[in-house]
Amino acid sequence: SQTIHQWPATLVQPVGSPLSLECTVEGTSNPNLYWYRQAAGRGLQLLFYSVGIGQISSEVPQNLSASRPQDRQFILSSKKLLLSDSGFYLCAWTEDSSYEQYFGPGTRLTVT
Amino acid sequence: DQQVKQNSPSLSVQEGRISILNCDYTNSMFDYFLWYKKYPAEGPTFLISISSIKDKNEDGRFTVFLNKSAKHLSLHIVPSQPGDSAVYFCAAISPGGSQGNLIFGKGTKLSVKP
Repeated sequence: SQTIHQWPATLVQPVGSPLSLECTVEGTSNPNLYWYRQAAGRGLQLLFYSVGIGQISSEVPQNLSASRPQDRQFILSSKKLLLSDSGFYLCAWTEDSSYEQYFGPGTRLTVT
Repeated sequence: DQQVKQNSPSLSVQEGRISILNCDYTNSMFDYFLWYKKYPAEGPTFLISISSIKDKNEDGRFTVFLNKSAKHLSLHIVPSQPGDSAVYFCAAISPGGSQGNLIFGKGTKLSVKP
């Protein structure tokens, strides 16, 4: 069966520091991968998606970036965090032919 | 502009009764809809979905109804159980949009009282 992992689970970082969040999927090949953010009191906002290695599409311009160095690995990064980057970051995957996305456990990021 | 709206931020229901969670959308091009359930500090869990060619889909205690003319869908949970207490997100997919781009509502927090 497929599983999706995210780490770290929680993170507290100062403003201006770098960020790296990792997501890996097991039990499937060539998944579509997604990064979402849920800010306080708001719904889920799609940040990036990837349909293959090295292929990244950005939905919202910001100081975050994403990379997909391997088929089942998706990384969310920032060179300098802002206070507004605080939130709950979720990685999700889907098979190419499916609409249902399956989410990881999430990372709670607090920028201080 | 919000394309998927969940106008009730919270709902409280007695155990054993029916929970009805509502969702409205503005884009008539949406052709697939999903409901997710989310516990605090966890990722959303897929619950049930419906294609725009249907008006009802049922899975155990969960039923989703779609009214295309009203651009409205609802999730019915019956009977409601305390373990159903969570935030429920409605999501929609637009054909021709970003690959698998789910557009989410802001969620409704359901509380089921024992």
